[in-house]
Amino acid sequence: GEDVEQSLFLSVREGDSSVINCTYTDSSSTYLYWYKQEPGAGLQLLTYIFSNMDMKQDQRLTVLLNKKDKHLSLRIADTQTGDSAIYFCAETMDTGRRALTFGSGTRLQVQP
Amino acid sequence: DAGVTQSPTHLIKTRGQQVTLRCSPKSGHDTVSWYQQALGQGPQFIFQYYEEEERQRGNFPDRFSGHQFPNYSSELNVNALLLGDSALYLCASSSGPSNEQFFGPGTRLTVL
Repeated sequence: GEDVEQSLFLSVREGDSSVINCTYTDSSSTYLYWYKQEPGAGLQLLTYIFSNMDMKQDQRLTVLLNKKDKHLSLRIADTQTGDSAIYFCAETMDTGRRALTFGSGTRLQVQP
Repeated sequence: DAGVTQSPTHLIKTRGQQVTLRCSPKSGHDTVSWYQQALGQGPQFIFQYYEEEERQRGNFPDRFSGHQFPNYSSELNVNALLLGDSALYLCASSSGPSNEQFFGPGTRLTVL
């Protein structure tokens, strides 16, 4: 079955790098996503990676995918206080129109 | 270009009542998915609509039903509300094989 797991909490200092980790169980996952949710708001799509890629970089964000270990990570360079939020990883099993399976989220706290 | 919009923002109902939530997808998107997010949890997939039909359904009872209109907007209906239905209901729209799902701000439903 599908299962996506994340650590609950991460605290970093402003200016440091943050690394948020995620593991998933379904080897047929096709796309893996990172979403950000600020208090009382919906989810903002940050980036996604196709399962045949190992890495994707988008400005301050770097996504690493280890398919063998079914491990996904999101690195945020030069973390700012505005990055404080809950970060969700999600996966989908197939191409096209399919449900996303989310982890329970990692709360990132950025200390000034 | 408006993103995904949802109405109402907040809603309070009592047990046994029925509720209808509405969603307008992002311009150019033809697929709408609904998710339930309980407090402190990741979103859980309810169902997805494409071409006015339910294409995929998550593990939710028949009390949860939906509809998609020719203009791609969608409704989520919940009958016989239970206290446990209290949650943030998120609508997401997408189009195409990458399945990038863009989320609305959500409707906060409280069942008393």
